[in-house]
Amino acid sequence: SQQGEEDPQALSIQEGENATMNCSYKTSINNLQWYRQNSGRGLVHLILIRSNEREKHSGRLRVTLDTSKKSSSLLITASRAADTASYFCATVRGMNTGFQKLVFGTGTRLLVSP
Amino acid sequence: EAGVAQSPRYKIIEKRQSVAFWCNPISGHATLYWYQQILGQGPKLLIQFQNNGVVDDSQLPKDRFSAERLKGVDSTLKIQPAKLEDSAVYLCASSSPGGAAKNIQYFGAGTRLSVL
Repeated sequence: SQQGEEDPQALSIQEGENATMNCSYKTSINNLQWYRQNSGRGLVHLILIRSNEREKHSGRLRVTLDTSKKSSSLLITASRAADTASYFCATVRGMNTGFQKLVFGTGTRLLVSP
Repeated sequence: EAGVAQSPRYKIIEKRQSVAFWCNPISGHATLYWYQQILGQGPKLLIQFQNNGVVDDSQLPKDRFSAERLKGVDSTLKIQPAKLEDSAVYLCASSSPGGAAKNIQYFGAGTRLSVL
């Protein structure tokens, strides 16, 4: 089952604008990650935020996490055409085996036009 | 460092036929994952290996899907017989054994399966 629901499903912006994607989830988590998937390719890890963190930055990426609302957001600043891709949030929680499981959301398709 | 290798990239088969996918993870990565990604959806975990042992196969349709990782390195995923609803991209991923890095998965480019 898919843990995360992303909003919006699709987003179209111009180069230079900021893009914000939201993710909501249902159960408690150890951490939350964002991945990017270019068309026809595998997923690439972007950033990880732990359950005790509220905000994290990496280059033009800013991620926030609100565990009380079970939600996260990904902000891409000064977007470029190369940012065109699908973005997925993935929640990580422990299993009784001692291992951790990544559960992906439904994704946001971002189109950045020149 | 070489990435996760998958083959073939594309496969077209008719329903009720069999198909197999191959994955070679990043060297030294003990954990290997197979995901199914249906068009327009996020990846869904089918099976997770730690070395050559299965950690989680709760979402693997065991009546038709099987996977193995005999020597704890390469892995194959098989579908026999295929159904129309198996049309999807099959992604393989691997992760490092310990520390913070174990949370991060590295994905191959995937195999796009079309069942006609």
